[in-house]
Parts: sequence; structure tokens; C-alpha cells
Amino acid sequence: AQKITQTQPGMFVQEKEAVTLDCTYDTSDQSYGLFWYKQPSSGEMIFLIYQGSYDEQNATEGRYSLNFQKARKSANLVISASQLGDSAMYFCAMREVGNGANSKLTFGKGITLSVRP
Amino acid sequence: DSGVTQTPKHLITATGQRVTLRCSPRSGDLSVYWYQQSLDQGLQFLIQYYNGEERAKGNILERFSAQQFPDLHSELNLSSLELGDSALYFCASSDAGTGTHIQYFGAGTRLSVL
Repeated sequence: AQKITQTQPGMFVQEKEAVTLDCTYDTSDQSYGLFWYKQPSSGEMIFLIYQGSYDEQNATEGRYSLNFQKARKSANLVISASQLGDSAMYFCAMREVGNGANSKLTFGKGITLSVRP
Repeated sequence: DSGVTQTPKHLITATGQRVTLRCSPRSGDLSVYWYQQSLDQGLQFLIQYYNGEERAKGNILERFSAQQFPDLHSELNLSSLELGDSALYFCASSDAGTGTHIQYFGAGTRLSVL
């Protein structure tokens, strides 16, 4: 069964610095997708970045990049130049493509990030 | 704005009651997913619909049911509510045609069962 592990305690970063949020996953599928979502205190879930298991390059979206290490089964999110608005809960999620039409996401427990001014 | 609309934003009800949560997916998205977020269980997949048909079921209780209508909006019905059903319920939609199946979430419905 697929599993996502996010074990970091609450993370703190100084404004304008970079921060890495860790995510490891477990799957027996060769084809899968990895996602990061942001949940601010207002509650909505905001899609940040996607990485496919066959993508050779690490995904980047603006200040977000995904450090994908397939052999280690890790998909860490890197946020560069942190801003106060980055303070939120961050979730790593996975979709196993082998399930075909079943596209459900399995989420980790999340990591709380606080950006200090 | 994700383009996914959920109503209502907040719902307060009593144990034993029944409620309906509504979701309108992004324009063109055929898949709708429902998730439940609670403090003890985290984010859990409940059910998926694709173009009106049920595609996958997760940890959805028998007291809960869902459907997707011809205009692609979806409803999640929760009945015989218990205190433990208090949670944030999300709807998400995706476009299977992109291959990535990125799911875009609505703002959620916060359900409080008193």
C-alpha cells in the first residue's frame, strides 16, 4: 500500500531564506505522481507543484522546486526566498498511476512552516 | 482561486441529522473527489466520480453517500451524523486528459456536529 511520511516537527525559517520540507514515500508501482499542497490557516488546499515518477528533471514552479530522489523515494519541497505568506501547513501527496482510473491522492500528515520576519 | 466551488463554507448541525455538501468542479473537469480532513485521521480520500459514474471508494462510511449529476456538479450526503463526523470536507476536481491528474481543491466545507 502506498504511504507518505512527513516526520519533521514544526519548521521555522527566517524571511528571505530557503527552506526544505521533507517527504518520503513508499510504493510498489513504477509509475506514480507526487504532489505538494499548501494549507494556510484559512483552510483551503492550494496546489503547488507536481513531479511524475518518469520525469528526469526536478519540477520547479516559481519559488518552489521539488528535489526528487527516486532511489531514495524522497520528494522534498524547497521554498526559496521565504515570505511571511509562506507560513502554512504543507502536505506531500502521491497518486499511483497503476490504479488506472482511480486517481485518489494519499496524503502525509503535513508539516507546519512558520516564517519569521 | 482554484475554480472549484464548495457550498456551504460552514455547517453547524446536531447529532442524528442529515446534511448535503455541494461541489462544482472546474470548467471541463470530469473527475470529482471528496476528502475528509480531521485532526485524528488527517486527510482521507472518501470517493471519486468520473463523468457521473463512481470510480473509486475510500474510507467512506455507509452513512455517507455521494453522486455526480449530468452537469458534473457533485453532492456528498452525510446522514445520522455523529460528533466524530465533525471535520473539514474537501471537494477536488481534475482533468484526466492532462495525464498528471492534478487535483484542484475547493475551499472546503467545515462541518460541526454538536
